[in-house]
Amino acid sequence: ILNVEQSPQSLHVQEGDSTNFTCSFPSSNFYALHWYRWETAKSPEALFVMTLNGDEKKKGRISATLNTKEGYSYLYIKGSQPEDSATYLCAHYNNNDMRFGAGTRLTVKP
Amino acid sequence: DARVTQTPRHKVTEMGQEVTMRCQPILGHNTVFWYRQTMMQGLELLAYFRNRAPLDDSGMPKDRFSAEMPDATLATLKIQPSEPRDSAVYFCATEGGFPSYNEQFFGPGTRLTVL
Repeated sequence: ILNVEQSPQSLHVQEGDSTNFTCSFPSSNFYALHWYRWETAKSPEALFVMTLNGDEKKKGRISATLNTKEGYSYLYIKGSQPEDSATYLCAHYNNNDMRFGAGTRLTVKP
Repeated sequence: DARVTQTPRHKVTEMGQEVTMRCQPILGHNTVFWYRQTMMQGLELLAYFRNRAPLDDSGMPKDRFSAEMPDATLATLKIQPSEPRDSAVYFCATEGGFPSYNEQFFGPGTRLTVL
């Protein structure tokens, strides 16, 4: 069973602030790391799929980095907007298993 | 318009009744996941299938839950008998192949309430 941890559990920021949160995972037998954005009352939607150590992905104001050797990924949001309020989930894959973290719940106040 | 569909969207039933939830994967996606969302556990993986074969159902209470994929266009999750603690939102997600680099596409979920 994989142990995928996300921190912080929740985060409140002001509109315009930049923020980041962490996904930690076992570094052995790494295959892929996914980030999902999950708005209240909706379904999770994929943000990034990351597979290589050192990967950096960017989509608008959101970016992510990956360190497979030490077992962590960071998600960054630049200039947070109220519409960024959601739970951000990471999912870690090894060769034969996959687990989601519990998520970081982000609230951006106008 | 490729999307995962789930039926029913809402289900209210009484304790002890059988509940069947259905998922139609995106055409060509050969991996199907079932998740349960609860306040306490967040997004919890119940089971997943690849090419219709169950790969992992360790997250599922075996005595009352069963998951099947009778054909490539339908996955089902059954609860018999249902209990109030089963009340949750159940999501189905599909992917183009596991292990793969592809993201999962989630259905809209089935909100189950067991009275």
